[in-house]
Amino acid sequence: QQQVKQSPQSLIVQKGGIPIINCAYENTAFDYFPWYQQFPGKGPALLIAIRPDVSEKKEGRFTISFNKSAKQFSLHIMDSQPGDSATYFCAASGADKLIFGTGTRLQVFP
Amino acid sequence: NAGVTQTPKFRVLKTGQSMTLLCAQDMNHEYMYWYRQDPGMGLRLIHYSVGEGTTAKGEVPDGYNVSRLKKQNFLLGLESAAPSQTSVYFCASSYYVRDNEQFFGPGTRLTVL
Repeated sequence: QQQVKQSPQSLIVQKGGIPIINCAYENTAFDYFPWYQQFPGKGPALLIAIRPDVSEKKEGRFTISFNKSAKQFSLHIMDSQPGDSATYFCAASGADKLIFGTGTRLQVFP
Repeated sequence: NAGVTQTPKFRVLKTGQSMTLLCAQDMNHEYMYWYRQDPGMGLRLIHYSVGEGTTAKGEVPDGYNVSRLKKQNFLLGLESAAPSQTSVYFCASSYYVRDNEQFFGPGTRLTVL
């Protein structure tokens, strides 16, 4: 019940494409769902986050879609750029810690 | 502000050796965390602390110990290193635990031979 399942493991798109990364959770007590972005050799950094009382949140080219009934949420990157090439982690907040997904390595080619 | 810093950046150990990883934060955060990152397994929580003098076990605590004697520092110890502990270790901190951003350090790459 503590797991967060993330897919796909890797994703390759052309510049301008819209990569979509999906996550699913089981624990209905989770109430905060952030996405972290990690560049090679660096620590992860918060990209965008959502609470389950809204179905969508946009920040620039990044959008989270949230489906509470299905216990799923996804990250969409509009007009993707080579600079978006990174590993993306979804996460869900439990009582006193974050549970991370296994990560998606995104490569955006020019 | 330096944010979250980790020492050392790289280390190679032999099986059975011990070492301590140091994490420091200058943001006056209450919560601190140690994660390990392995290919295909994401970030797994080793131990965490909800305040000075407190520690708690995470998902993969075996083989590690931690201490939080000062609010700004969180130490991760390996008493007898094993090859299975070869990983990249990240420290993070946050002001609150719920709905709050975790700030990560740059990581320590540890190889155990």
